[in-house]
Amino acid sequence: GESVGLHLPTLSVQEGDNSIINCAYSNSASDYFIWYKQESGKGPQFIIDIRSNMDKRQGQRVTVLLNKTVKHLSLQIAATQPGDSAVYFCAESPPGYSTLTFGKGTMLLVSP
Amino acid sequence: NAGVTQTPKFQVLKTGQSMTLQCAQDMNHNSMYWYRQDPGMGLRLIYYSASEGTTDKGEVPNGYNVSRLNKREFSLRLESAAPSQTSVYFCASSEAAGQGYGYTFGSGTRLTVV
Repeated sequence: GESVGLHLPTLSVQEGDNSIINCAYSNSASDYFIWYKQESGKGPQFIIDIRSNMDKRQGQRVTVLLNKTVKHLSLQIAATQPGDSAVYFCAESPPGYSTLTFGKGTMLLVSP
Repeated sequence: NAGVTQTPKFQVLKTGQSMTLQCAQDMNHNSMYWYRQDPGMGLRLIYYSASEGTTDKGEVPNGYNVSRLNKREFSLRLESAAPSQTSVYFCASSEAAGQGYGYTFGSGTRLTVV
């Protein structure tokens, strides 16, 4: 079947580069955000989350930045590796909502 | 360490046929979800169950029904499959519904309706 990665914005980087994946979220009231990684043929996997009382949160090789003023979220991946090649989704959760709303995703391609 | 298990992994249906997609989680999560994923459309919520005994419609519920069989299991049924339901279906679960709870996803069911 057709790959979920078709029709998505694509970021191509060289191995070892730092990658920045951006996401514009839709609801100004959202105050919890998550980044997911989806490898080909697999389900999305949790990477990192952030609450709106923070501007930045760091994990292992990943950093999420939140700019509430412009409703923008970014995921920075340090020293990108071929295994980081995947589709990356942001998700938001407005207060009072029971579910997450997912963005359409960005494909990251890492060349050796 | 199974997490969320979906069956089957692949299915081909003829238009008009019915089938049930199964989902089970072993993390004692209260909330479960069904999403479909189409190229360029991202993940769209079909139905969810915030807790055992409750189900609610999501963004794209038409043509589907769900059953929260018990705390572990949440099934999705297509009563009369249509080509527009060709998609990849993901089940997910979370500790609770609402803020602060990330989802754990299954590996998906790839459904083709011909």
